[in-house]
Amino acid sequence: GNSVTQMEGPVTLSEEAFLTINCTYTATGYPSLFWYVQYPGEGLQLLLKATKADDKGSNKGFEATYRKETTSFHLEKGSVQVSDSAVYFCALRWNYGQNFVFGPGTRLSVLP
Amino acid sequence: EPEVTQTPSHQVTQMGQEVILRCVPISNHLYFYWYRQILGQKVEFLVSFYNNEISEKSEIFDDQFSVERPDGSNFTLKIRSTKLEDSAMYFCASSERGVGKMNTEAFFGQGTRLTVV
Repeated sequence: GNSVTQMEGPVTLSEEAFLTINCTYTATGYPSLFWYVQYPGEGLQLLLKATKADDKGSNKGFEATYRKETTSFHLEKGSVQVSDSAVYFCALRWNYGQNFVFGPGTRLSVLP
Repeated sequence: EPEVTQTPSHQVTQMGQEVILRCVPISNHLYFYWYRQILGQKVEFLVSFYNNEISEKSEIFDDQFSVERPDGSNFTLKIRSTKLEDSAMYFCASSERGVGKMNTEAFFGQGTRLTVV
């Protein structure tokens, strides 16, 4: 079946450190891939997305590239801020389907 | 900016009681969804709803669950007889387009934390 795997958290970094959160998926075909972020006390917000192989999604300094050959969509940011502290969810969705399949989430804490 | 709103933010109920979780999707959206997240676990799909009927549901969405769009703006999730294991954060979402369309991102509400005691 379809599934999404993320690196285990929590991830704790100092401000301005480089961030990578790994995400790999198992699916037949070519789903769209997403990163959602959940700030403390808030709902899920779309951070970025990519709909086909080699697409790069980017937003707020975060980037992720859809790698078909490695079935991955790793999230990166060159210099994290305290305000980036949140839970990050990788997800896939079929272009012609409806529901998302979410990864377990990775909690990021950025220390000043 | 339009947003999905959910009420209440936190609901505590006794086991066996009925609860109704409420959502107001974005006004021009056509597809509506419920997801849940048990504490510390992944976000799980429950049900999707289009044109006043369920279009897809997961194994979790058994006979104890029902959804309704009673008045053209609200979208509700009812749990008839709550169990301890229903304790979770419930997220409502809506999207402008659905099956057969590409790039259909969904917008999520802030969630309702349901605690069954």
